[in-house]
Amino acid sequence: AQSVAQPEDQVNVAEGNPLTVKCTYSVSGNPYLFWYVQYPNRGLQFLLKYITGDNLVKGSYGFEAEFNKSQTSFHLKKPSALVSDSALYFCAVRDYNAGNMLTFGGGTRLMVKP
Amino acid sequence: DAEITQSPRHKITETGRQVTLACHQTWNHNNMFWYRQDLGHGLRLIHYSYGVQDTNKGEVSDGYSVSRSNTEDLPLTLESAASSQTSVYFCASSDGEKNEKLFFGSGTQLSVL
Repeated sequence: AQSVAQPEDQVNVAEGNPLTVKCTYSVSGNPYLFWYVQYPNRGLQFLLKYITGDNLVKGSYGFEAEFNKSQTSFHLKKPSALVSDSALYFCAVRDYNAGNMLTFGGGTRLMVKP
Repeated sequence: DAEITQSPRHKITETGRQVTLACHQTWNHNNMFWYRQDLGHGLRLIHYSYGVQDTNKGEVSDGYSVSRSNTEDLPLTLESAASSQTSVYFCASSDGEKNEKLFFGSGTQLSVL
């Protein structure tokens, strides 16, 4: 089965500094990877996806993610963090062996301090 | 604007009672999903549907059921609520068979006492 892992429960970063939220994946075949964000008391919102093509994927709110096949990673990045980026971030993989369901990681809480 | 709404936002019930959580989407999406979110587990898939009269079990389907009588609605029923089903429940929908972008509702906080 396809799976993703988010090794950090929480990431703390100062406003204006670059941020990275880590995700590693385990898939058979080509990976289809996603990042979602959850703000307090809200449902998840789509940020970006990697299906094929360029290893650097750009998404909403200035976020980008770098796909690294050799390291089986799909880390979420942003050059300059904002306090408003504080939220819960989920990495996900699409399992085409299971009806194209999305399997989510455990989530990483990002705290951006002024 | 199209949207996906869940009701109620909060629900408290007692062990053994039947509970139904509503999910309604106006995107006209064929695919709909129910997830539960628990600390330490992230989101786990309960049930999903790829169209009217189609329902499928997900990773944690025991004790839950769904029905799909129209495109807009996918109610989730807990047949006999258990304390282990205390959780936040999210409904989602997508517009294509590849599920490349899911749209989520705001969630239902369910407490089973």
